Amino acid sequence: IAGITQAPTSQILAAGRRMTLRCTQDMRHNAMYWYRQDLGLGLRLIHYSNTAGTTGKGEVPDGYSVSRANTDDFPLTLASAVPSQTSVYFCASRQTASNTEAFFGQGTRLTVV
Amino acid sequence: AQSVTQLGSHVSVSEGALVLLRCNYSSSVPPYLFWYVQYPNQGLQLLLKYTSAATLVKGINGFEAEFKKSETSFHLTKPSAHMSDAAEYFCAVMGSKGAQKLVFGQGTRLTINP
Repeated sequence: IAGITQAPTSQILAAGRRMTLRCTQDMRHNAMYWYRQDLGLGLRLIHYSNTAGTTGKGEVPDGYSVSRANTDDFPLTLASAVPSQTSVYFCASRQTASNTEAFFGQGTRLTVV
Repeated sequence: AQSVTQLGSHVSVSEGALVLLRCNYSSSVPPYLFWYVQYPNQGLQLLLKYTSAATLVKGINGFEAEFKKSETSFHLTKPSAHMSDAAEYFCAVMGSKGAQKLVFGQGTRLTINP
């Protein structure tokens, strides 16, 4: 089934540890996004990529890094996790040329303790 | 730059009543606008979108929204609420030119009273 797959589904992480959230899409979309969702704050854009090989910063990029080595994968890395990064993380993708909507993964629930 | 403000973090209506969820946007270029719905413990699902065609947009599940440039608004409505409409709703904006970042509002939680 075509779509976006995020892994892991949930994770409890010790503060100071490094963590990579994985996101893979099989729709050949050129743009991909990472959001965090926090109660009362909606979805805030962390990083985005409009095409393979390029990335950009969103609203809340500090403490996070991304890479876009190919079209399908867009991993999000927390180099040294802190409790304020406890959140639900959503990956999304869209095809920019046709001005279509973004499609979302099911999310990763991350708890940093 | 683009931004979205959703007026009202919680909206409660009776079953069968009109649903009105408010969204105002800011964009330095002509915008594309979206409404998404999120059911508990799920990802986001598109309800409808405006991409510079008709200003009145119809979506799934009986929802519709009207793009009003003069008011910089894109309010979501449904004539008659159903219990299954209870969810969180997000308005989002993206510039039609430039970096094309997709920016979301804070969300509105819709509760339906029997």
